[in-house]
Amino acid sequence: YELTQPPSVSVSPGQTASITCSGDQLGDKFASWYQQRPGQSPVLVIYHDKKRPSGIPERFSGSNSGNTATLTISGTQAMDEADYFCQTWDSNTAIFGGGTKLTVL
Amino acid sequence: QLQMQESGPGLVKPSETLSLTCTVSGGSITSTGFYWGWVRQPPGKGLEWIGNIYYGGNTFYNPSLQSRVTISVDTSLNQFSLKLTSFTAADTAVYHCASGYRSGSPFEYWGQGTLVTVSS
Repeated sequence: YELTQPPSVSVSPGQTASITCSGDQLGDKFASWYQQRPGQSPVLVIYHDKKRPSGIPERFSGSNSGNTATLTISGTQAMDEADYFCQTWDSNTAIFGGGTKLTVL
Repeated sequence: QLQMQESGPGLVKPSETLSLTCTVSGGSITSTGFYWGWVRQPPGKGLEWIGNIYYGGNTFYNPSLQSRVTISVDTSLNQFSLKLTSFTAADTAVYHCASGYRSGSPFEYWGQGTLVTVSS
């Protein structure tokens, strides 16, 4: 099973960024999203398609339907510049997408 | 709040075995429902899942690494460990320990990661 993400996405400060993650019938599984800033460990920002862990800003939201899960960042801030990875489970196997570098410029 | 810290050698010779330990604090490694896993990241690349061990002892491994990987738990030390045999340059990566609650749930807790490099 594979998850495909665009290598890079650019967004202007204050605008909305959307990062997609594609996989066969991904909508039938749960998708999670992780943020990784340079030199740091990944941080969970969305789980079970659209739930936010405690402490994650409301500007982070998620959806998952059909073959595509989407991470949306509304009112993007400079601090959101990072790599983002989607992840799902397939028969007790964790699958990560290749990652998307979000540039805020 | 669960915290995890990896420890182990930063250099491994080709064909030798990598052994890493993850020490868990802020909670018990025997807590019902938790799973404990390893994820690695080659320099400049994406995340690759290595495997998990679940409450009760079941293990699941990445099929591409399964023949070389063993994950185990030491309840007396509140630690879990990773052994990766036949180390090569392709195994050079930052190795993270990570954990979540219940099968199918995300990796909620992460260690800071430790860089392991093949030595010539």
